[in-house]
Amino acid sequence: DTGVSQNPRHKITKRGQNVTFRCDPISEHNRLYWYRQTLGQGPEFLTYFQNEAQLEKSRLLSDRFSAERPKGSFSTLEIQRTEQGDSAMYLCASSPTSGPVKNEQFFGPGTRLTVL
Amino acid sequence: AQKVTQAQTEISVVEKEDVTLDCVYETRDTTYYLFWYKQPPSGELVFLIRRNSFDEQNEISGRYSWNFQKSTSSFNFTITASQVVDSAVYFCALSESGNNRLAFGKGNQVVVIP
Repeated sequence: DTGVSQNPRHKITKRGQNVTFRCDPISEHNRLYWYRQTLGQGPEFLTYFQNEAQLEKSRLLSDRFSAERPKGSFSTLEIQRTEQGDSAMYLCASSPTSGPVKNEQFFGPGTRLTVL
Repeated sequence: AQKVTQAQTEISVVEKEDVTLDCVYETRDTTYYLFWYKQPPSGELVFLIRRNSFDEQNEISGRYSWNFQKSTSSFNFTITASQVVDSAVYFCALSESGNNRLAFGKGNQVVVIP
């Protein structure tokens, strides 16, 4: 399978704990995006990378959230001191910057976070 | 600021009926892209179609068709002869030129009854 993969698929944690999610994009895609989707809503943009550079962050990304893409390949999203309001599906997407599907975002299956 | 509005309703149709989903968008850019995505119960967003702001030609792709009208800022989507496998949430999304984030609507839950 050469699609976008995310791990873990599900995470249950207690309020106040730190969690980290991983996203592996499609290998030749140099852009990587993180979105958050709460129940009954559409995905909301959090941040995106071009190669290893984080080029844009949403106001939704509080200082408890940090994302990295150290070698321009996989990315991690960490949430510190989780709150119940962080419960959501975290979606990762990647896109190429050239070719027939330039700028089309391909989504992974998501990581569902539940904060108790 | 980019914004997408979908009347967030559950739409139920009997198999083989057509279903049309409405999408209204807001943007100040003259260059932008519009998308429809499908999210089945498994949760993964599946890309369906994309149009850019300079191409208002409406097309048909299999059982999918769309109606893009810049004059009314609408990008409606139709599934013809619906099937049970079409049951999913459908999202309209907008991307402005110069940024790469997608702004999604709240989605339409489509239920196809056999």
